[in-house]
Amino acid sequence: QVQLQESGPGLVKPSQTLSLTCTVSGGSISSGDYYWSWIRQPPGKGLEWIGYIYYSGSTYYNPSLKSRVTISVDTSKNQFSLKLSSVTAADTAVYYCARARWPPFNYFDYWGQGTLVTVSS
Amino acid sequence: EIVLTQSPGTLSLSPGERATLSCRASQSVSSSYLAWYQQKPGQAPRLLIYGASSRATGIPDRFSGSGSGTDFTLTISRLEPEDFAVYYCQQYGSSLTFGPGTKVDIK
Repeated sequence: QVQLQESGPGLVKPSQTLSLTCTVSGGSISSGDYYWSWIRQPPGKGLEWIGYIYYSGSTYYNPSLKSRVTISVDTSKNQFSLKLSSVTAADTAVYYCARARWPPFNYFDYWGQGTLVTVSS
Repeated sequence: EIVLTQSPGTLSLSPGERATLSCRASQSVSSSYLAWYQQKPGQAPRLLIYGASSRATGIPDRFSGSGSGTDFTLTISRLEPEDFAVYYCQQYGSSLTFGPGTKVDIK
């Protein structure tokens, strides 16, 4: 059973960089059948896709966030990470990591429990 | 960017009733790239349907998906108490977007 677990600071100051890590267990991030993704959800609002990474390091980002986002992978640790720069209060959200099946379909079948990141001074 | 619109925003029904949730896209979406999720308070979303009509592993057969092009539907044939939740559709085209969600609550 694949499990994903987010970790990182719960509080980030405005203008700083948000950094989160997702640790994958029960399966290899290098399996090649999946992409690995970050998705966020502001309190009381809907879901927003941030981006994908493949184990090889290929990335796809949401165009609306692309200038501020970096997703990286560490296959030796079975982890992938998110960095979001120049954060503001609008970046306050629950951040989820998830496994994505793509192609031939496109969906997220396993999710972490989510971690709340608050941007505040 | 393809924008997804979900209707209604809230659906108030009783257990045992049928729920019909709509997801409309601003441009045509490949059926292979349309998925539905259920989210309960304080939990991560759960995959229900992928490829517009294929049930994910372990999903009861009271959940079904249909549609093509710009119009997709999630149907819950008979609502169980655990089905009251928020439902999101998701598409992948040139980018990936989610709909705003439909809340199914108890009447």
